[in-house]
Amino acid sequence: QITLEESGPTLVKPTQTLTLTCTFSGFSLNTGGVGVGWIRQPPGKALEWLALIWWSGEAHYSPSLTGRLNIDKDTSKNQVVLTMTNMDPVDTATYYCAHRLDSRHFDYWGRGTLVTVST
Amino acid sequence: EVVLTQSPTTLSLSPGERATLSCRASQNIAGHLAWYQQKAGQAPRLLINDASNRATGIPARFSGSGSGTDFTLTINSLEPEDFAVYYCHHRSSWPLTFGQGTRLEI
Repeated sequence: QITLEESGPTLVKPTQTLTLTCTFSGFSLNTGGVGVGWIRQPPGKALEWLALIWWSGEAHYSPSLTGRLNIDKDTSKNQVVLTMTNMDPVDTATYYCAHRLDSRHFDYWGRGTLVTVST
Repeated sequence: EVVLTQSPTTLSLSPGERATLSCRASQNIAGHLAWYQQKAGQAPRLLINDASNRATGIPARFSGSGSGTDFTLTINSLEPEDFAVYYCHHRSSWPLTFGQGTRLEI
């Protein structure tokens, strides 16, 4: 079955760079039509899509965070890595990674990881 | 960017009643809309794919309809476990967006 798990720091300081890793199983990012995305959710607020990478390496980003995000994949390790630069307290949120196919919506999600931005 | 507007913000109902949740898109997204259920402390769970297709394992009391700009999630005969927050989400174009959510409360 498909599973995803997010990992990374729980606390980062303002202006630092956040690096999150999504480790998955049950599918391959070498398979056509497969993608992995990142979505975040500030405490008590709505979901916000951040970025997505396809099996081909093509990547898409939220325009509201353009320039701060980078998404990459390591198919040999079954991992997708998201980096976000210049972190701010407003970036405090639970960060999720999720699987989707190009003809479908996000169907499998990780449990999420809470990242707090504070001095 | 497609803006998804959900209504109502909060819906107060009792078990056994029917819930009707709305999602309106700011432009035509055909049928490329999904519905998710989220309970406190949990990841979102896919309920409906592409406006009207129930995801695997989702009970038949959940149904979705609509196309273009207006979409509806209907939950028939509410069960206690259905009280949660519901989000709509489109994949019609970049960037992907989510609605602001509807809280379904007892």
